[in-house]
Amino acid sequence: SQTIHQWPATLVQPVGSPLSLECTVEGTSNPNLYWYRQAAGRGLQLLFYSVGIGQISSEVPQNLSASRPQDRQFILSSKKLLLSDSGFYLCAWKISGTGDQPQHFGDGTRLSIL
Amino acid sequence: QKEVEQNSGPLSVPEGAIASLNCTYSDRGSQSFFWYRQYSGKSPELIMFIYSNGDKEDGRFTAQLNKASQYVSLLIRDSQPSDSATYLCAVTAQDSSYKLIFGSGTRLLVRP
Repeated sequence: SQTIHQWPATLVQPVGSPLSLECTVEGTSNPNLYWYRQAAGRGLQLLFYSVGIGQISSEVPQNLSASRPQDRQFILSSKKLLLSDSGFYLCAWKISGTGDQPQHFGDGTRLSIL
Repeated sequence: QKEVEQNSGPLSVPEGAIASLNCTYSDRGSQSFFWYRQYSGKSPELIMFIYSNGDKEDGRFTAQLNKASQYVSLLIRDSQPSDSATYLCAVTAQDSSYKLIFGSGTRLLVRP
């Protein structure tokens, strides 16, 4: 069966510091991968998605970036964090090739910026 | 602007009752519809998905889809306190089947 791992679970960072969140998927090949952010009490905002190695689509202009160095690895980064980057960051995957399949989420990273 | 609208709630029902959660969407080309449950502080988990007009049942859950009215709902029969959570509706975007558009969620409270 497929599993998704996301770490760390919580992170407290000062304003202006860099960020790297990692997500890996096991048990499937060439998944579609997604990064979402959820602000407190709000819905999910799609940040980036990838349909293959090295391919990244950005949904929201901001100081975040994403990379997919390996088939089942998705990384969210920032060079300098802003206060507004606080939130719950979720990685998700789905089977590639069909729109009908659901997305499945990792446990998330709760990021607090001080 | 493609949107998915949900009443934020809270929707409060007594234990054993039927909870009805509703969702409307603006993108007439959306083809697939998903319901996720999110407990406080946790990540969303898939409850059900539906692609065709009509009803789809899975245990205590029934999803209903009406594409003409651009309306999808989730019924929870015999509601339990453990069903208390936020329920997120999601639909595929017409311009990209890779993407889902999420509603802000309805908070459900099941009273013992």
